[in-house]
Amino acid sequence: SAVISQKPSRDICQRGTSLTIQCQVDSQVTMMFWYRQQPGQSLTLIATANQGSEATYESGFVIDKFPISRPNLTFSTLTVSNMSPEDSSIYLCSVGERDMVNYGYTFGSGTRLTVV
Amino acid sequence: ELKVEQNPLFLSMQEGKNYTIYCNYSTTSDRLYWYRQDPGKSLESLFVLLSNGAVKQEGRLMASLDTKARLSTLHITAAVHDLSATYFCAGGTGGFKTIFGAGTRLFVKA
Repeated sequence: SAVISQKPSRDICQRGTSLTIQCQVDSQVTMMFWYRQQPGQSLTLIATANQGSEATYESGFVIDKFPISRPNLTFSTLTVSNMSPEDSSIYLCSVGERDMVNYGYTFGSGTRLTVV
Repeated sequence: ELKVEQNPLFLSMQEGKNYTIYCNYSTTSDRLYWYRQDPGKSLESLFVLLSNGAVKQEGRLMASLDTKARLSTLHITAAVHDLSATYFCAGGTGGFKTIFGAGTRLFVKA
């Protein structure tokens, strides 16, 4: 299965600042997905990132707040901009496996963000 | 829009016992996933269910799908402490969007 390296694993940030999270995949993938998991909650899809096109954002998420880059088929970044304590969450990237029938999606290890 | 509901949300059980986690979804979903998440860790894919009547088993876990009832189950047989984790089901909608249930926090007592 795909291996995803996600950085940083955790960070504590001041409100009003921005943090960029990186995901590197060991194989080429068409689509990458970014999720948010608030403490003790389920996962919510933020956006889908395709290489060479604008990311597609889900309802409640906007590009100005969560800009995404997808410069090639193995890499993506998510920036959390102008942070407030409400942005404290775990952020995860995900890719679909080549063998979707048996393996579904693989997730990065997550970035635990605390905004103070 | 697809909604996915899991129950129970919290489950405490004794080692050696059997139990089932239920996952209902609101509209047609063309695929159903089960994931495991250990505290402070990412998600691990357990099962992918694609068709009505699909059943998959791995160790003490068995997942099934009934598309007519819009129901998937995750059955735990003879639970052991190592199965303690949060289990998520998730449904796939058109394209690649995946909607997650709230998760079931399972605690297996020795």
